[in-house]
Amino acid sequence: AQKVTQAQTEISVVEKEDVTLDCVYETRDTTYYLFWYKQPPSGELVFLIRRNSFDEQNEISGRYSWNFQKSTSSFNFTITASQVVDSAVYFCALSVLGEETSGSRLTFGEGTQLTVNP
Amino acid sequence: NAGVTQTPKFRILKIGQSMTLQCTQDMNHNYMYWYRQDPGMGLKLIYYSVGAGITDKGEVPNGYNVSRSTTEDFPLRLELAAPSQTSVYFCASSLYRVGETQYFGPGTRLLVL
Repeated sequence: AQKVTQAQTEISVVEKEDVTLDCVYETRDTTYYLFWYKQPPSGELVFLIRRNSFDEQNEISGRYSWNFQKSTSSFNFTITASQVVDSAVYFCALSVLGEETSGSRLTFGEGTQLTVNP
Repeated sequence: NAGVTQTPKFRILKIGQSMTLQCTQDMNHNYMYWYRQDPGMGLKLIYYSVGAGITDKGEVPNGYNVSRSTTEDFPLRLELAAPSQTSVYFCASSLYRVGETQYFGPGTRLLVL
């Protein structure tokens, strides 16, 4: 069975601080995909990034960066120079190749509530 | 493109009532999913569909039914609403299965009293 753990339930920072959201995953499959989604106060789920298990290169997109480390089964997300608009719940999720019978469901972590204060 | 749309946005049901949550996508995606999100929790898969006429259970299917007669639509039916079904329901779609990004609708907030 798959599992995603986001140990940080809530994080509060002041604007312009850097913040890292942790994600640890568990799977026995060698082929899998990791995702981050953002859920702002309005409630929708916004896709941020997708990464497959064979690509360990870190990725940067503007103020966002992701650090994927298979050795520690982690896929952490860093926001640089945080802004008030970054306030949201952030979910890490996992999808595995072997789950034919489950239709490739996303296994979600419980989310991290990030609050960026002005 | 509207992406994934869901109706209604919010609904209050009495215990024992029935309702259908509507989901439509205009991206010609093969796969569609229904998730529920309970307060302070991540999402759990209720049902999914790999194409018109094909559906299967997810992690938490009890109390729900689905059908998929067209590529675009994937309605979720609650037959006998219970307070435990108070949740936010998200529909999602993806082009193929594993590894493809799932795109989510705006959600339906359901309150069962």
